[in-house]
Amino acid sequence: QKEVEQDPGPLSVPEGAIVSLNCTYSNSAFQYFMWYRQYSRKGPELLMYTYSSGNKEDGRFTAQVDKSSKYISLFIRDSQPSDSATYLCAMIGGSTLGRLYFGRGTQLTVWP
Amino acid sequence: AAGVIQSPRHLIKEKRETATLKCYPIPRHDTVYWYQQGPGQDPQFLISFYEKMQSDKGSIPDRFSAQQFSDYHSELNMSSLELGDSALYFCASQPMGGGAYEQYFGPGTRLTVT
Repeated sequence: QKEVEQDPGPLSVPEGAIVSLNCTYSNSAFQYFMWYRQYSRKGPELLMYTYSSGNKEDGRFTAQVDKSSKYISLFIRDSQPSDSATYLCAMIGGSTLGRLYFGRGTQLTVWP
Repeated sequence: AAGVIQSPRHLIKEKRETATLKCYPIPRHDTVYWYQQGPGQDPQFLISFYEKMQSDKGSIPDRFSAQQFSDYHSELNMSSLELGDSALYFCASQPMGGGAYEQYFGPGTRLTVT
């Protein structure tokens, strides 16, 4: 069983919709939670990271972490066709050095 | 803004051949991570280096070796290539004094083994 589970989708929404992407995890040692966006045949692009439980907002993106439920979410408001990509959640235990543990990624399509 | 540079971007090799992938981190980044991403899969950690020393090792085959040089660039050497080694290989770098939650990925090297 993977340490990080993510529904691969695909998810298809109309432009302007609110998108909700989610991951669950099993390792309680995870402290930092990241969201990456990956366009086809490109490298993952770091969108935002969150430490421990709570919310973090950056423009149209909001990340939420619920450590008690081992559940994280990324919300995209006013979604745009340019948001069409695969979104990967990633987690890490410590802060200094360490490998990322990724979810499988959710493929999102925003249609005009 | 400067990004992680990887070369080559595409590489085609035959079974049992050798390949060398290179990674040039963002300036003032001293930690490098290597990940392998198979088709439709999430990136899997291979190995990492901090200040030219190996800092962590993941599911990297013994046929693979890597190092980080004095200018912080890193090379992944892959020998006796197998069909299953065909994948996207990403390098990520981390800023000096930064946290592992700030890993910035390069565009990847697509390796095809025939």
